[in-house]
Amino acid sequence: GQSLEQPSEVTAVEGAIVQINCTYQTSGFYGLSWYQQHDGGAPTFLSYNGLDGLEETGRFSSFLSRSDSYGYLLLQELQMKDSASYFCAVLDTGRRALTFGSGTRLQVQP
Amino acid sequence: NAGVMQNPRHLVRRRGQEARLRCSPMKGHSHVYWYRQLPEEGLKFMVYLQKENIIDESGMPKERFSAEFPKEGPSILRIQQVVRGDSAAYFCASSPNQNTEAFFGQGTRLTVV
Repeated sequence: GQSLEQPSEVTAVEGAIVQINCTYQTSGFYGLSWYQQHDGGAPTFLSYNGLDGLEETGRFSSFLSRSDSYGYLLLQELQMKDSASYFCAVLDTGRRALTFGSGTRLQVQP
Repeated sequence: NAGVMQNPRHLVRRRGQEARLRCSPMKGHSHVYWYRQLPEEGLKFMVYLQKENIIDESGMPKERFSAEFPKEGPSILRIQQVVRGDSAAYFCASSPNQNTEAFFGQGTRLTVV
């Protein structure tokens, strides 16, 4: 089976940088994805790491270390609109569908 | 190109009734996934379908729940004899192939009264 762990809540101020960590246990996987979900909304894709290292997309970056079974999402220059839940997800080779973590609720304060 | 379309957005059913949730994937997408989400929780995988085939239904309860993705028309998640515990948001996602980026619909919020 698979399990993913991430902090339940994170609070930060506008303009700051925040890192959301994700550790996972899986028998085999293709890569680590990150999704954002606003209250009442649909999850939207943010980034994907298939290989170790850092992927950067604008203000968001994501990192993966397969040897440590660990990844993180880095959000820079935080804005109020970044307040949302963030989910890490793995595509498990056995299941062939995304398995999601329980989510991290980010609250950005003025 | 329209996104993943789910309907209805909100559905209220009395205990014992049937609920039918529809999902039209994005154009060109033949892979469909259904997830369930309880308030303040993550997305729980239910079932993965390709056209006319169920690929993985390991996350779906054995009784009362069924899913299909016919050759023509939307994917349907069917819940028979609903109970209060079925109240949740049900999300559908689609992808053009077995890759890591899945596009989600706005979800159907089912309330069982």
